[in-house]
Amino acid sequence: DGGITQSPKYLFRKEGQNVTLSCEQNLNHDAMYWYRQDPGQGLRLIYYSQIVNDFQKGDIAEGYSVSREKKESFPLTVTSAQKNPTAFYLCASSSRSGTSGIGEQFFGPGTRLTVL
Amino acid sequence: AQSVAQPEDQVNVAEGNPLTVKCTYSVSGNPYLFWYVQYPNRGLQFLLKYITGDNLVKGSYGFEAEFNKSQTSFHLKKPSALVSDSALYFCAVRAGGISSGSARQLTFGSGTQLTVLP
Repeated sequence: DGGITQSPKYLFRKEGQNVTLSCEQNLNHDAMYWYRQDPGQGLRLIYYSQIVNDFQKGDIAEGYSVSREKKESFPLTVTSAQKNPTAFYLCASSSRSGTSGIGEQFFGPGTRLTVL
Repeated sequence: AQSVAQPEDQVNVAEGNPLTVKCTYSVSGNPYLFWYVQYPNRGLQFLLKYITGDNLVKGSYGFEAEFNKSQTSFHLKKPSALVSDSALYFCAVRAGGISSGSARQLTFGSGTQLTVLP
């Protein structure tokens, strides 16, 4: 899983609560990403950030929020507006985030979120 | 919009036999193509990528993939499968060269579960 850590490994949330998933990398990568994985659907991009203090919505951003105050950190908040948050969440990072960047993405070990 | 198709949800192969996991893609312009592997309850691990050059790309753990532009395919192969190769495999694509916005981001297929039988 390289130099990317995610915590916690398992997270349980009651309906109506916001929860924050942590993602930290020590690879000195500019770009970071959050994906959601559901069985049989592959990975879907939630948010991505190519530089500190900047981020963009992915394909399924509704009900989620992020921040990128430090290069090493890209936390994801799952808000109460996300109607079906139970899933496996993966954080990734890559180098050369510019228009010609072709670095592969490195993934963290994931956080499994369950709504009770 | 870019897309990836992995037509087989499940592939079973006997240990020692060759394996193929199929992937076709759609993208504007030249593609950058990737294969990842995922073991249960773990993150994805990078296997190999095609950017340009030789159509046959060699990667980690004895895997290789062949880029076929006319068929828009990037099938993953291994000459002799191991039981330890059993895992979930993902193909991914992004637009190559200078591109903007979401085209720079990876689009993943739905995954193929590979089971190698002893």
